[in-house]
Amino acid sequence: EIVMTQSPATLSVSPGERATLSCRASQSISSNLAWYQQKAGQGPRLLIYGASTGATDIPARFSGSGSGTEFTLTISSLQSEDFAVYYCQQYNNWPWTFGQGTKVEIK
Amino acid sequence: EVQLLESGGGLVQPGGSLRLSCTASGFTFSNYAISWVRQAPGKGLEWVSGISGSAESTYYVDSVKGRFTISRDNSKNTLYLQMNSLRAEDTAVYYCAKARKGGWYFDLWGRGTLVTVSS
Repeated sequence: EIVMTQSPATLSVSPGERATLSCRASQSISSNLAWYQQKAGQGPRLLIYGASTGATDIPARFSGSGSGTEFTLTISSLQSEDFAVYYCQQYNNWPWTFGQGTKVEIK
Repeated sequence: EVQLLESGGGLVQPGGSLRLSCTASGFTFSNYAISWVRQAPGKGLEWVSGISGSAESTYYVDSVKGRFTISRDNSKNTLYLQMNSLRAEDTAVYYCAKARKGGWYFDLWGRGTLVTVSS
């Protein structure tokens, strides 16, 4: 099973600032990585797939990069609605696995 | 409206059974693979099981293999998860999630249904 490790666990950011979230895979997953946003009491929302392709209706301030084992989600200028928990997920090898999440909170 | 709606959760004793349902609307259900993903209280996401659009192929995480069964009725636009021999560690919110064509990542999620396994 591929282990996905996200860092940091919590990121404190002021509105308007840039946020950079990391996700590392225990072995190469090519570009088969997705990012999700989850708010309290809601199901996750797909942000990025293929490591860098934005999902439908996702604002351009969200971008993804990386391949192999190292991946990054960048939120260029945090808006109030972006404070949430973010998960990465690999879909290169069954069973599909998620990282433990990064909580982005207001500084 | 494109949506998934889960139901069937509740309180069950250890060793008991429960069947979850997920009803889809707004898209051609039979064209897409669907998965169940769970989230224990205060924890992260765990993929549990998946099924292809035609129901020919099913997949399970090791921890539920032999206890859970995924199925679908494409005529009713409904996905099921039959859960037997439930354990305390199965306590979680269970989401159904629609996979995109071309990969097992999920572009549509329900709001989830809570399963609590406790005596």
